[in-house]
Order: sequence, then structure tokens, then C-alpha cells
Amino acid sequence: QQQVRQSPQSLTVWEGETAILNCSYENSAFDYFPWYQQFPGEGPALLIAIRSVSDKKEDGGFTIFFNKREKNLSLHIKDSQPGDSATYFCAAASSNTDKVVFGTGTRLQVSP
Amino acid sequence: AQTIHQWPVAEIKAVGSPLSLGCTIKGKSSPNLYWYWQATGGTLQQLFYSITVGQVESVVQLNLSASRPKDDQFILSTEKLLLSHSGFYLCAWSHRGGQDTQYFGPGTRLLVL
Repeated sequence: QQQVRQSPQSLTVWEGETAILNCSYENSAFDYFPWYQQFPGEGPALLIAIRSVSDKKEDGGFTIFFNKREKNLSLHIKDSQPGDSATYFCAAASSNTDKVVFGTGTRLQVSP
Repeated sequence: AQTIHQWPVAEIKAVGSPLSLGCTIKGKSSPNLYWYWQATGGTLQQLFYSITVGQVESVVQLNLSASRPKDDQFILSTEKLLLSHSGFYLCAWSHRGGQDTQYFGPGTRLLVL
């Protein structure tokens, strides 16, 4: 059972466009949602994260929009560059556990 | 600055053979430590976590075990490999718990034949 789902599975955008990556979850106890970026052959690295008390988080060209009622969130990558081409994972955790659940991932390709 | 090192970089092993993967964190005392498994093109599955020396919690059973013999060391092992153990093994650390940034190592690629 996949508790954190992402869509689309893969996405191609042109350089300069905004890429929108979606994530949904099932467990209402989740209250921390980090997004990780992973390049082929490397370990993931934290990109940006949001807590459920907020509905929006911005950091540079990355923005998370969070909808607690609908149990979904999205990552917007503004002015996408070829260097942003990677796999993006949405993850979820709750305050009373060390368990982290990763989503299915979205492979982003930014074409020049 | 904290650094995380994993060994070996890659392994090719036979089904039924034993395995030991290691992870060392330098520059951080008492980190929370994690093992993840990633199938090719797949998501990350958390396997184990440890908040202190000698204590390891299992998240999912995959015929693997983990130990934390020292504050800065996390070991993943099995006595008998299965084909399904092939994949990318990632060690990570965080300052506190699951609601903190996870810092991942470079990973170990394992192929079981």
C-alpha cells in the first residue's frame, strides 16, 4: 500500500517554464512534508519542506502549495533550467515517529 | 562539517551469500541514522532507523538486519542474499528525527546474481 503518491510519473517542460509536481497522502497523522531531489547515481538531497500548519512555502524558485483538507500538495519549480532535470520525491513524516515515507517520485526533464 | 561515507561503493554477490554494508558519519555526535533501499527507478523504502548506539528499529522486513556498534557507525547485513536484495542502499542521518532534514550518503549499488 503506497501511502504517498506522486503524479505525473514523468514530466517534460521547456527551459523557462514552471514545472508542477503533485503529491497526495493518506495518513492524516503526517504533518511534515519534505521534497528531495535526486540525480542519477547519487543520494537524494533536501530541496524544500513544509509543515502542515502552513499552506505555502517558498524558497528561491521553489514553492510548495499545501492543502490539508484535500491531503495533497504540489511543488512548483519556476523558470525551470536543464540543471533541474532530476527525480523529485515527496516524503511525509509525523511528529511522533522517526519513520519517513517517500512517494513514488516524478522524473523531471527540462529541455533547452 | 559533517560527512557521510558508505562502503563499498558497489558489490556483485551471489544468491545465498552473506552481505555487510557500512556507513560512517563524521563531524556529528549522536546522529539519528537510517538505512534506505531503492530499486532501480523506484522509490526509497526506509528499512531501519537508530537514535542511539545499540538500538535499532526495523521499519520493514526484507530478510536484512542492522546494527549500530558505535555512535558514528551503522551496519546493514544479511547471512543469505536473495535476488530481490539488488538495488541501491542509502544511509542517511538527521539531527533529530523524522521531521528533520535527512542527509544522504552516496549509496552502495548491489547486484545479486
